[in-house]
Amino acid sequence: ILNVEQSPQSLHVQEGDSTNFTCSFPSSNFYALHWYRWETAKSPEALFVMTLNGDEKKKGRISATLNTKEGYSYLYIKGSQPEDSATYLCAFMGTGNQFYFGTGTSLTVIP
Amino acid sequence: DAGVTQSPTHLIKTRGQQVTLRCSPKSGHDTVSWYQQALGQGPQFIFQYYEEEERQRGNFPDRFSGHQFPNYSSELNVNALLLGDSALYLCASSLLRTRYGTEAFFGQGTRLTVV
Repeated sequence: ILNVEQSPQSLHVQEGDSTNFTCSFPSSNFYALHWYRWETAKSPEALFVMTLNGDEKKKGRISATLNTKEGYSYLYIKGSQPEDSATYLCAFMGTGNQFYFGTGTSLTVIP
Repeated sequence: DAGVTQSPTHLIKTRGQQVTLRCSPKSGHDTVSWYQQALGQGPQFIFQYYEEEERQRGNFPDRFSGHQFPNYSSELNVNALLLGDSALYLCASSLLRTRYGTEAFFGQGTRLTVV
């Protein structure tokens, strides 16, 4: 069984605050690391697909970094807005196109 | 372009019964994976289908079986339902043959409640 851990489990921040959370995964047999944003009653939506050590990706106020040698990825949200409230899932992909998901970080942005 | 569609959205079954969940992948995708998400947990991999065959399987008992049709749509069957099978079942579609991990597209899930 492959462990993908996310921390913190939940987070409450004030509107305008910046925040970040962590995804830890095995450093061996790495293929890709995905971040998904999952709003209640909707399908998980892909944010980033990261494949190379040192990768940095950005989409608006959200960015992510990747360190495959030590097995972690950070997701940053700058100036959080209420619409950012969601569960953020990371998924490690090894060989075979199979995802191993973390348990997610639930973010609540308080207006 | 339709995304991933799952049916039904909600389902209530009695312990011991059998259930079939359905998934139509995103147009152009050839691989369907099924996940179970119990309350408070991340999605757990059940199995993956490609070219109508089960390609990989997670740590789930044989009560969980599946099928993929020539049009790439897929079914998940669960026999002899247990209360612990109550969960959100997610279907994800993707392309198998890509150099790096292609993003997966998820359906909205089927919420199964076993009573």
